Amino acid sequence: EVQLLESGGGLVQPGGSLRLSCVASGFTFSSYAMTWVRQAPGKGLEWVSVISANSVLTYHADSVKGRFTISRDNSKNTLYLQMNSLRAEDTAIYYCAKDVQQQVPMYYFDYWGQGALVAVSS
Amino acid sequence: EIVLTQSPATLSLSPGESATLSCRASQRIGGYLAWYQHKPGQPPRLLIYDASNRATGIPARFSGSGSGTDFTLTISSLEPGDFAVYYCQQRGDWPPTLTFGGGTKVEIK
Repeated sequence: EVQLLESGGGLVQPGGSLRLSCVASGFTFSSYAMTWVRQAPGKGLEWVSVISANSVLTYHADSVKGRFTISRDNSKNTLYLQMNSLRAEDTAIYYCAKDVQQQVPMYYFDYWGQGALVAVSS
Repeated sequence: EIVLTQSPATLSLSPGESATLSCRASQRIGGYLAWYQHKPGQPPRLLIYDASNRATGIPARFSGSGSGTDFTLTISSLEPGDFAVYYCQQRGDWPPTLTFGGGTKVEIK
């Protein structure tokens, strides 16, 4: 059974940093691209970042570029999102998700974690 | 940046009725579109990818169509568990710049 479990969320002050983790199980983690998607309170889904299976390619939404960094450790089956210079508008539930296809990503996501809540407030 | 516009914002229907949801892209995206179902307190669920392919385990009452700029998700004979928010998502060109539409809420009439 595919499982994705996020952790690392919490309350942080504006300008602060936080690192989210997503531990994967039930599939060959090292074969799939992974992504982070967020949902601010009362808003829709917003794509944040994506990383290829071998970490060679990473892409970020303009809204987080230069502040957030996606990475992964395939030996630990873990995906990360390092979030720096956090702003109030980064407050959201952050989901990690798995690509539908091995090796060559399709950039559609078929398994999602339950989400981690990040709140940015003074 | 490709913008996805979903309509209507809210659809009020009764169980057993059919739902037709629209997603329009600001520029042509071929058939590179997915649909997700999202319920409160749960993660999104992939329904359709590449405009018309049902994801694993998705019932046949969910179908997708369209290409270019206009796409449709049809849910035939709504069941109680189908009342949720539905999002379309495009995967962009190169480099990938994924975007979601604003969502359509399908609510019980």
